[in-house]
Amino acid sequence: QVQLMQSGVEVKNAGASVKVSCKASGYTFTSYGVSWVRQAPGQGFEWMGWIAPYNGNTEYAQKFQDRVKMSIDTATDTVDLEVRGLTSGDTAVYYCARGGARYDSFDYWGQGTLVTVSS
Amino acid sequence: DIQMTQSPPSLSASIGDRVTIACRASHVISNYVAWIQQKPGKAPKSLIYAASRLQSGVPSRFSGLRSGTDFNLTISSLQPEDFATYYCQQYHTYPFTFGPGTKVDIK
Repeated sequence: QVQLMQSGVEVKNAGASVKVSCKASGYTFTSYGVSWVRQAPGQGFEWMGWIAPYNGNTEYAQKFQDRVKMSIDTATDTVDLEVRGLTSGDTAVYYCARGGARYDSFDYWGQGTLVTVSS
Repeated sequence: DIQMTQSPPSLSASIGDRVTIACRASHVISNYVAWIQQKPGKAPKSLIYAASRLQSGVPSRFSGLRSGTDFNLTISSLQPEDFATYYCQQYHTYPFTFGPGTKVDIK
């Protein structure tokens, strides 16, 4: 069955960087894009961007353009999200989700990774 | 960015009730709307895509409808496991955006 398994809880200081991983299984990794969505405590969802494992193309939300990098490792079927210059406003649960090309919905989600930024 | 609004923000309902949640997009987005369920402390679950098509394994009591830029999610007979927060989401234009959510709780 399709699974997206994310890396564990992260606690970072303000100004640091964090990398969150999302390992895919149960399907052909290069056939589907992967998106990242975050949810601040008690808040709704915020789409951060998308990466196509089949060619490495990315689309980032303008808000995150300068601080975020998404990358893929086809040897391990893993998608990584790196966020630089963390602030307390980046404290959130970060989810990966399969899908997210334009006109392509999400169908499966990872379990989420809590990133806490202390100032 | 495309704004997604939802109503009501919350509702209380009983087991067996028919529940409808509304969502409106600020721009024309054809039928590129999904509905997502989230229970407290849990990861989101995708229910519906293309405004009315059920994701695999989603019970048939869930349905979706589109009329122009208005979208509805209906639960025909509310079950105990349906108490959750529901979000609409557009995937027509980057950045993808979500509605603020509708919390469904027990009356």
